[in-house]
Amino acid sequence: KAGVTQTPRYLIKTRGQQVTLSCSPISGHRSVSWYQQTPGQGLQFLFEYFSETQRNKGNFPGRFSGRQFSNSRSEMNVSTLELGDSALYLCASSAGQGRNEKLFFGSGTQLSVL
Amino acid sequence: SQKIEQNSEALNIQEGKTATLTCNYTNYSPAYLQWYRQDPGRGPVFLLLIRENEKEKRKERLKVTFDTTLKQSLFHITASQPADSATYLCAFPGSNYQLIWGAGTKLIIKP
Repeated sequence: KAGVTQTPRYLIKTRGQQVTLSCSPISGHRSVSWYQQTPGQGLQFLFEYFSETQRNKGNFPGRFSGRQFSNSRSEMNVSTLELGDSALYLCASSAGQGRNEKLFFGSGTQLSVL
Repeated sequence: SQKIEQNSEALNIQEGKTATLTCNYTNYSPAYLQWYRQDPGRGPVFLLLIRENEKEKRKERLKVTFDTTLKQSLFHITASQPADSATYLCAFPGSNYQLIWGAGTKLIIKP
């Protein structure tokens, strides 16, 4: 089985721009979560989708949004980028129905905002 | 609020020795706790999950304990090798089963 695939791997944007990141979960996994990770910080939860519905949302501003398609693939969007949005964005999928036992992560998208 | 703490300082261990990492949590009684390994620039990789009714769990050279009285989990790597060098993260489910993550402990195994 292929693992979780995130694209692009690296991204450089300037302040004020918007960005869309993509995540393809492991085949058969219906739950997809997104996390932001900055140096020295733990993973900060953005949101979780299950069967195209946002099930949970973290404490991030409305500039951060996401969606999930019928094939479980997910995208997250950040509008009006700020310097502080520079981070590794990780997507994780799981087979369970929301219990988040054993997450499978992609390699992440390293976003740099200049 | 629910909180999880890991030793933020790097842990330096001599090759062949046992490395022990600590994860403490407060203001909650999680049903389980998970440990992940993360290499630089990569996503975390799941290692072990231990439930509240399990005191200990093993996988090859890895051992995890879960003390619900002390609100602590210990993660052991026996016969450590330089390839074990990485950052190790612990996490437990908070409300709505959303995982709450520690900041991770960087483990360095010296040859």
